[in-house]
Amino acid sequence: AQSVTQLDSQVPVFEEAPVELRCNYSSSVSVYLFWYVQYPNQGLQLLLKYLSGSTLVKGINGFEAEFNKSQTSFHLRKPSVHISDTAEYFCAVSGPPRGNYKLTFGKGTLLTVNP
Amino acid sequence: GAVVSQHPSWVICKSGTSVKIECRSLDFQATTMFWYRQFPKKSLMLMATSNEGSKATYEQGVEKDKFLINHASLTLSTLTVTSAHPEDSSFYICSARPRQGGNNEQFFGPGTRLTVL
Repeated sequence: AQSVTQLDSQVPVFEEAPVELRCNYSSSVSVYLFWYVQYPNQGLQLLLKYLSGSTLVKGINGFEAEFNKSQTSFHLRKPSVHISDTAEYFCAVSGPPRGNYKLTFGKGTLLTVNP
Repeated sequence: GAVVSQHPSWVICKSGTSVKIECRSLDFQATTMFWYRQFPKKSLMLMATSNEGSKATYEQGVEKDKFLINHASLTLSTLTVTSAHPEDSSFYICSARPRQGGNNEQFFGPGTRLTVL
């Protein structure tokens, strides 16, 4: 079974500050990892994904994440946030490749960017 | 590319009526579609996995007779909430996995807000 833990339910930051949203996962097999963003009353938009290869993954809107297998983490970072980044962020895991296609989501982290 | 639509985007219905929600992959064929339910300030809970031409696989605790899923074509899946009650009020989101592609990626619809009075 797989699980995802997002350690912070809410993260308030000031505009132009850096931010890190933490995600840890547990799985007995190799996995794919994803970060999604959800704006109010909307569906999910993919920010970035780790499938294989380089452990540093760059996504849209200036976000990046680093896959750390030894620490089973996939933390999301952005060096300078904007007001428009205010949203709910979900970390998700699926796997193994070509096997279980189900996504297991974390509980989400609400990022609030203040002026 | 990889756009998924849902219809309607919001619906209000009376208790006891049935509501159908459509999920369409607009520019790709989807062998597998997923239905999620999201409560306010909560994560997405997978309700069922829908494969084209076969019966849906429901997650534990989800009433299959309550939430009827049909995946009649490679671009359309429907979720029918039968005899809806206020506790069924929620945000329902579908996703679709392309027929071509082995990286487990899913593309999400914009969601349907259901309010049962």
